[in-house]
Order: sequence, then structure tokens, then C-alpha cells
Amino acid sequence: DTAVSQTPKYLVTQMGNDKSIKCEQNLGHDTMYWYKQDSKKFLKIMFSYNNKELIINETVPNRFSPKSPDKAHLNLHINSLELGDSAVYFCASSQGGEGARGEAFFGQGTRLTVV
Amino acid sequence: QQQVKQSPQSLIVQKGGISIINCAYENTAFDYFPWYQQFPGKGPALLIAIRPDVSEKKEGRFTISFNKSAKQFSLHIMDSQPGDSATYFCAASKGSNYKLTFGKGTLLTVNP
Repeated sequence: DTAVSQTPKYLVTQMGNDKSIKCEQNLGHDTMYWYKQDSKKFLKIMFSYNNKELIINETVPNRFSPKSPDKAHLNLHINSLELGDSAVYFCASSQGGEGARGEAFFGQGTRLTVV
Repeated sequence: QQQVKQSPQSLIVQKGGISIINCAYENTAFDYFPWYQQFPGKGPALLIAIRPDVSEKKEGRFTISFNKSAKQFSLHIMDSQPGDSATYFCAASKGSNYKLTFGKGTLLTVNP
């Protein structure tokens, strides 16, 4: 059973299009994240949701909109895609609270290529 | 401002050797320091983690050394194996912030 699964694994699309990436976790965690990994492999947090509530929103263009319908799902919608959005996007989850911070479980990633 | 600095960027070690990756942080509020291992095409996976109340943590061939006064921590991989070849990331978080700040990663290659 995959703990954190995201779809699709690969996404190739044209500039200006709108696309979504879906993420689901079956670990019972209360916190979910989106991270972006650029071509140099640098990992940077984009968003974090705790119990469906947005708690972290780093400096991300508002073309990126996360949505958490429930604790187990966190989707990422991207409007008007640009070449610079090409990257690998990772969904992750963790159990918040004392003693559990930092132990994030990552999905396999979605490689987004904008042409 | 890069809050977690990692070095070296890449490292080549012979099988059986010791791999050492170093990280330095700036924010003294950080209180949790995990290391993640990432294989090509996969997501990062937690390898080992330490809190600042201890100076060393060992799990099998992997050891974290932590120097609070110097704001540095390092990962030592003993008896390195070709299967350890991966990218390693140090990270840090603080309190209930829920946010991991990552170093830039080290590509480790272990030659057979």
C-alpha cells in the first residue's frame, strides 16, 4: 500500500494551460505539504495544510492554488502555466504536534514539464 | 537567505569508506534536524534525525553528529556501499512550524 500517492507521475503541457496534481495519503496524518524540487534538486516548501486549514503559504505565485477537501487529500492546481514552473512537485504528509515534527513522508513526485 | 547550508555538493567514496556530509544552520530556533535520502525518480525518505539535546545519534551504519554551539551537524555513513549512492539532504524545522527547511543536497556516489 502506497503511503503518499500522487498523480500523475509525469505531466507535459503547453504554456498557458491549467493543470492539476492530486495527492492522497493513507497514513492518517493531519498535515500535508507541497514541495517543489527544481532542476538543481533544491527542495522548497510551497504550502502546508493542517486539518484542511492552510498554515504555510510561502512566496508562491497565486497561479498556484492548493485545495484540501479532507485531511487525506491535498491537490495542487496551477493556472496559466509558465516555462519556469517546470520542476518535480512532491506531496508529503506528517503528523503534527510535539514529537512528530519533521518526520515527513514524501510521495514519488510529479515531473511537470511546460513546453 | 539560505538558512541551512550543506556541503559538499557531490562526494565520491570507495566501497567500504566513510562518507561525511556537513550542514550548518543559522536559526537557533531550529530544534529538529532530519536527514533525507533520495534515489533517482523517488521522493525523499527519512533516514535519521536528531534533536539538539543530544550530540550524536547512531542507527546502523548511519550516524548524526550535532554541535549546538557551532550550529553544525553532519551525517557519517560508515562502510559505504554502492547501494548508498543517492542524494542526501539535511533539513531543519522549529517547534510546531510544520515546515522543513532543506539544504541543497549532496550527490553521493559509492564506487564498487
